[in-house]
Amino acid sequence: RKEVEQDPGPFNVPEGATVAFNCTYSNSASQSFFWYRQDCRKEPKLLMSVYSSGNEDGRFTAQLNRASQYISLLIRDSKLSDSATYLCVVTGGPMDSNYQLIWGAGTKLIIKP
Amino acid sequence: ETGVTQTPRHLVMGMTNKKSLKCEQHLGHNAMYWYKQSAKKPLELMFVYNFKEQTENNSVPSRFSPECPNSSHLFLHLHTLQPEDSALYLCASSQDAGGNSYEQYFGPGTRLTVT
Repeated sequence: RKEVEQDPGPFNVPEGATVAFNCTYSNSASQSFFWYRQDCRKEPKLLMSVYSSGNEDGRFTAQLNRASQYISLLIRDSKLSDSATYLCVVTGGPMDSNYQLIWGAGTKLIIKP
Repeated sequence: ETGVTQTPRHLVMGMTNKKSLKCEQHLGHNAMYWYKQSAKKPLELMFVYNFKEQTENNSVPSRFSPECPNSSHLFLHLHTLQPEDSALYLCASSQDAGGNSYEQYFGPGTRLTVT
């Protein structure tokens, strides 16, 4: 079983729609969770952290479900510029080094006009 | 954005060549990382340097050799590579490799092709 699993997509979504995707992780001791965004042929960039209480940043909402070991990302009123690959990132447990980020392979999102 | 720069951006090398990838960060960070990104696969952490000291070598073959002369510069020396080493090599930095390591800033990467 992969440590971090994501649906590779692509998700083809019309502009203005709401889209959501999940990421599951295998280590129940994982402590921190993040979404990174990677545009085509560009480097990954931190999009947002995912807190236990959920996190909202404008049109983006991230949720954590520890019981089921998944995190989600919801994008409302999607824009063409949201087209990218969204990478789910999880840290290890308390015995692991802080810098040991465990990356998913990403979910590709395509927003169509 | 010029926070983290990498050169060259593209590299084609034969299996017998020796080449080096260079990374420079202008963010005042103390930790630097090398990652390998292959198509449709997760990023693989290769090496970590924290305050110029190597803190991680993630079972990387010896044909990859890192060098960190100071906190701003990181090199990846390549020799006798294999075709399966063809990938995007990303350099990243963070404030340190401890509690501030989650937000990592990436360079644009070097697209390496081994022929």
